[in-house]
Amino acid sequence: AQTVTQSQPEMSVQEAETVTLSCTYDTSESNYYLFWYKQPPSRQMILVIRQEAYKQQNATENRFSVNFQKAAKSFSLKISDSQLGDTAMYFCAFMSNAGGTSYGKLTFGQGTILTVHP
Amino acid sequence: SAVISQKPSRDICQRGTSLTIQCQVDSQVTMMFWYRQQPGQSLTLIATANQGSEATYESGFVIDKFPISRPNLTFSTLTVSNMSPEDSSIYLCSVREDMNTEAFFGQGTRLTVV
Repeated sequence: AQTVTQSQPEMSVQEAETVTLSCTYDTSESNYYLFWYKQPPSRQMILVIRQEAYKQQNATENRFSVNFQKAAKSFSLKISDSQLGDTAMYFCAFMSNAGGTSYGKLTFGQGTILTVHP
Repeated sequence: SAVISQKPSRDICQRGTSLTIQCQVDSQVTMMFWYRQQPGQSLTLIATANQGSEATYESGFVIDKFPISRPNLTFSTLTVSNMSPEDSSIYLCSVREDMNTEAFFGQGTRLTVV
């Protein structure tokens, strides 16, 4: 079974600054996906960024980028130029691409509450 | 991208009763899942809703407590049966068209059992 660990229950950052959220995972598989989801107070889960494990290049989406270290099983999220609207709970998630009983299922970390201060 | 309508958005229920949550998708999707998010906690997968057959439940979740229906590729229901205060959570429906697409989530149902 896979596990996902987010060791930072809460983080805060000043508007326009940069913040990095940490995530580590454990798996014996070699083919998988990793995701960062954002959950604002509205409860709506929003995909921030995804990374395919077979890709060495780190994914980027505008102000969001990841540092994917496959050997270390680490997947951190960097938010640049933080905005007030980035305030939310952020979840790191793992999905196996191996098929079988794990097909399509997401395993989530505990979450990190990010607060952006003006 | 799939648009998901989940109903009700919230409810307050008496212990011992049951609540059925609906998840309607605006397009046919291969995979549908139900997650539970306890207060201040992460999301935990309850089950995979299988079209035309019984749902596949994760460890710790049973059909008698969380019966699930999926009559077609766009609709599913989750029932929380014989509720207790420990069932107070947010319940989320999630869909995925295939492994190469992102997972989309409903807005969740906030359930409070009193």
